[in-house]
Amino acid sequence: DIVMTQTPLSLSVTPGQPASISCKSSQSLLHSGGKTYLYWYLQKPGQSPQLLIYEVSNRFSGVPDRFSGSGSGTDFTLKISRVEAEDVGVYYCMQGIQLPLTFGGGTKVEIK
Amino acid sequence: EVQLVESGGGLVQPGGSLRLSCAASGFTFSRYWMHWVRQAPGKGLVWVSRINSDGSSTSYADSVKGRFTISRDNAKNTLYLQMNSLRAEDTAVYYCASSGAIYFDYWGQGTLVTVSS
Repeated sequence: DIVMTQTPLSLSVTPGQPASISCKSSQSLLHSGGKTYLYWYLQKPGQSPQLLIYEVSNRFSGVPDRFSGSGSGTDFTLKISRVEAEDVGVYYCMQGIQLPLTFGGGTKVEIK
Repeated sequence: EVQLVESGGGLVQPGGSLRLSCAASGFTFSRYWMHWVRQAPGKGLVWVSRINSDGSSTSYADSVKGRFTISRDNAKNTLYLQMNSLRAEDTAVYYCASSGAIYFDYWGQGTLVTVSS
C-alpha cells in the first residue's frame, strides 16, 4: 500500500497569514498517462470532507483561489495564501493512483 | 444540487450485520463510480470499497474483504454496503462518495455504525 505522510500534525495560524502543509507519498503518484493522482480534502468541524484540490494543483468548483496545490512525484504541498476563520479543520491528502486508496493522517489547522 | 444521503447505521453486536444505503440525487448516478470511506471516532479517513458505474466490478480494503459487499441499484439511484461479521474495529462514521473523473468530488453526511455488546 502507498503510505501518505503529512506534516505538520497541526498548525495554528493568525488570520491573514499564509499556511503550508506537506504531503509525501511512499511511491510516485505520476501515472503513465501523464496525470498525477494527488488530492486534498478539508474536513471542517462536524462536517463531511470536501474536495479542495485534485490532480495536484486543480481547484475544485467553488474553492477560493487562496488555496493552491503544487508538487510532483512523491512530494506535494497545499498552500493557503491568507488564512481565514472558515479555513479551520483537518486537511487530508490522498493518493488515487492505486488501490487501496490511502489518505494522509491529517493536519489540523486552527486560528490563533 | 448533488446530494448523497446515507442511512442504515446504528448499534449492532459483534458478529452482527447491517446494510447501509446511500441515496443519490442531482447527478447521473449510473455514470459514476461510487465509494465507501469510513472514519473511526477521532481518527482519519480510510477507504473501504468501490464499485464501478454498472456494478460489474468491485474492490475492497483488506480489512473488510470477505465480510463487506458493495452493490448498487442504478434504477433507484442507490448505493449499498452490506456489512457482515462486524467487529468492534468497524465502529466508524461511514461516508459514501462519488467519483466521476475526479475522486470523491461529493460526499454524503455520513452514518454512524457502532459495534458493541
